[in-house]
Amino acid sequence: NFMLTQPHSVSESPGKTVTISCTRSTGSIASNYVQWYRQRPGSAPTTVIYENIYRPSGVPDRFSGSVDRSSNSASLTISGLKTEDEADYYCQSYGGDNLRVFGGGTKLTVL
Amino acid sequence: QVQLQESGPGLVKPSETLSLTCTVSGGSITNYYWSWIRQSPGKGLEWIGYIFYSGTTNYNPSLKSRVTMSVDMGDNQFSLKLSSVTAADTAVYYCARDIYGLGFDPWGQGTLVTVSS
Repeated sequence: NFMLTQPHSVSESPGKTVTISCTRSTGSIASNYVQWYRQRPGSAPTTVIYENIYRPSGVPDRFSGSVDRSSNSASLTISGLKTEDEADYYCQSYGGDNLRVFGGGTKLTVL
Repeated sequence: QVQLQESGPGLVKPSETLSLTCTVSGGSITNYYWSWIRQSPGKGLEWIGYIFYSGTTNYNPSLKSRVTMSVDMGDNQFSLKLSSVTAADTAVYYCARDIYGLGFDPWGQGTLVTVSS
């Protein structure tokens, strides 16, 4: 199967923009949908992006998702950073035989 | 709205079988896939497998030899069994509804299972 590789951690200041990447090791990133989840300490993950680019209701439009075939990666961009955005973020996609795969997670620090 | 709740022993002895149940409320288990996901302390998320309401299953190859999932439509529940557990199976175990493209939503609150003698 394939792997999804994320940076271990990223940090940025409030009000700035940060992008978290999710690179697929084999197979095309565009061949299956990518989801992004936010996990705050002690809580279950919640979806912030589904089907590559869509936001569930309740997720602010400061969150956006994209897919780049040239780098075989998906990205989560958060603009106008707030301290409440500090969390772990995971990408997730699908592989052959309908397997589900998570990225290793990225710890976002807003300082 | 649909809510999920995991239940089961919080402590399991090495070599024994971990058993968890996920109860679905606010909606039917019918017509959906349901997944188990775990997270070892301080680590990332690992998909364990899914079960369709009809009983069709699909497991993570890394755990396949030890995993069994089942569904109880009458009680609107689905279950996970993981055999021959070791300390490496210590984790928070989550259940979640699994929809292709939408991902996992909602999730249960998670339950910590510790493997120790």
